[in-house]
Amino acid sequence: EAGVAQSPRYKIIEKRQSVAFWCNPISGHATLYWYQQILGQGPKLLIQFQNNGVVDDSQLPKDRFSAERLKGVDSTLKIQPAKLEDSAVYLCASSLDTGLAGAGAKNIQYFGAGTRLSVL
Amino acid sequence: AQKITQTQPGMFVQEKEAVTLDCTYDTSDQSYGLFWYKQPSSGEMIFLIYQGSYDEQNATEGRYSLNFQKARKSANLVISASQLGDSAMYFCAMEGAGSYQLTFGKGTKLSVIP
Repeated sequence: EAGVAQSPRYKIIEKRQSVAFWCNPISGHATLYWYQQILGQGPKLLIQFQNNGVVDDSQLPKDRFSAERLKGVDSTLKIQPAKLEDSAVYLCASSLDTGLAGAGAKNIQYFGAGTRLSVL
Repeated sequence: AQKITQTQPGMFVQEKEAVTLDCTYDTSDQSYGLFWYKQPSSGEMIFLIYQGSYDEQNATEGRYSLNFQKARKSANLVISASQLGDSAMYFCAMEGAGSYQLTFGKGTKLSVIP
């Protein structure tokens, strides 16, 4: 079974430029997540999709970040314009929708290898 | 709000020895799930083990076991018979009852010494 695919693996841009990341989840996984992982910290959720609808984007800086998941499969995350503090690894994850959350649900999220973004 | 605390920034263990990585959590939910992930230098997060808050037995997956102490709100990861390939960052995470979101700790860097 193929895992979560992400591209590109690395991206270097200058501040105020725009950048886009792509993610293809595991086949059949209804839920897709984008995380931001700043060096030395754990991942922080940016946005969660269920099929092609947004479940939670409360931590997405909407003035510069946008994300879409057309047709409920692959997804793109865009930053425009980028700031220095956006330098981080952007991780995409997917999970089956068990319809439950918390104890007993075992909603295992499977992650891609991430995109390492450096903003100069 | 949920919070995960990992107090060990770095740990060293001799090859073939066992090691315990600490994790404490804070939540007002009665129903929650606890996860451990491994992140090698290549960057991907690899799922290791899961414990539900109502599970009476500690979870085990091969060389990994989770020492779950609900009253103390701790979910420590035990790795038995450490291997060189176990050198990586290890993250503890929690999923609450209300959503599928994972809240992660800051991680522990494990180094296995030959």
